Amino acid sequence: AQSVTQLDSQVPVFEEAPVELRCNYSSSVSVYLFWYVQYPNQGLQLLLKYLSGSTLVKGINGFEAEFNKSQTSFHLRKPSVHISDTAEYFCAVLFRPGGSTLGRLYFGRGTQLTVWP
Amino acid sequence: KAGVTQTPRYLIKTRGQQVTLSCSPISGHRSVSWYQQTPGQGLQFLFEYFSETQRNKGNFPGRFSGRQFSNSRSEMNVSTLELGDSALYLCASSPGGGGNTEAFFGQGTRLTVV
Repeated sequence: AQSVTQLDSQVPVFEEAPVELRCNYSSSVSVYLFWYVQYPNQGLQLLLKYLSGSTLVKGINGFEAEFNKSQTSFHLRKPSVHISDTAEYFCAVLFRPGGSTLGRLYFGRGTQLTVWP
Repeated sequence: KAGVTQTPRYLIKTRGQQVTLSCSPISGHRSVSWYQQTPGQGLQFLFEYFSETQRNKGNFPGRFSGRQFSNSRSEMNVSTLELGDSALYLCASSPGGGGNTEAFFGQGTRLTVV
């Protein structure tokens, strides 16, 4: 079975401080992991993805994530946040049952990142 | 290249009515998926379509249905609306085919059932 747990529902942080958003997953098959960002009244934008290979994945807007198989984690980090990073962040795992061309994403419940000046 | 387009952006319906939401994928994309987002349940998968065929279905009642046309555009329909159907409905498109792993999301349709 596939599932994703985002350990923090809200993370407040001051501008220019580092941030880590935590994500743990459970998957019975090959692991494809994603982080998406959602701004108010918008859809989801892909930040980064892990499919295979290097466990450190770099994404857009200065974000990066590290895949840790032994700890079944995929935490998102940014060394210095900006006001514009205020948004909701979703971790997801992709499950591809037979016959699928893309599959289905299982999402965590989201982490609201609020950056204060 | 235009992104995923969902229409309408906002919709208000009355309980018991039905509604149809539309999604136009990125040009050249052949796979379309739908998700429901609510504060209570979060993001949940509804269905996936490719080449006009439903390939995958989530755990939703039969009131939720969808289809895909030959130009890859997709519609989803919800009949006999309930208050709990109020949600942001997101459509995602992807190229389709083997090895495909990335979904591109539209801005969503905000459905309010009163």
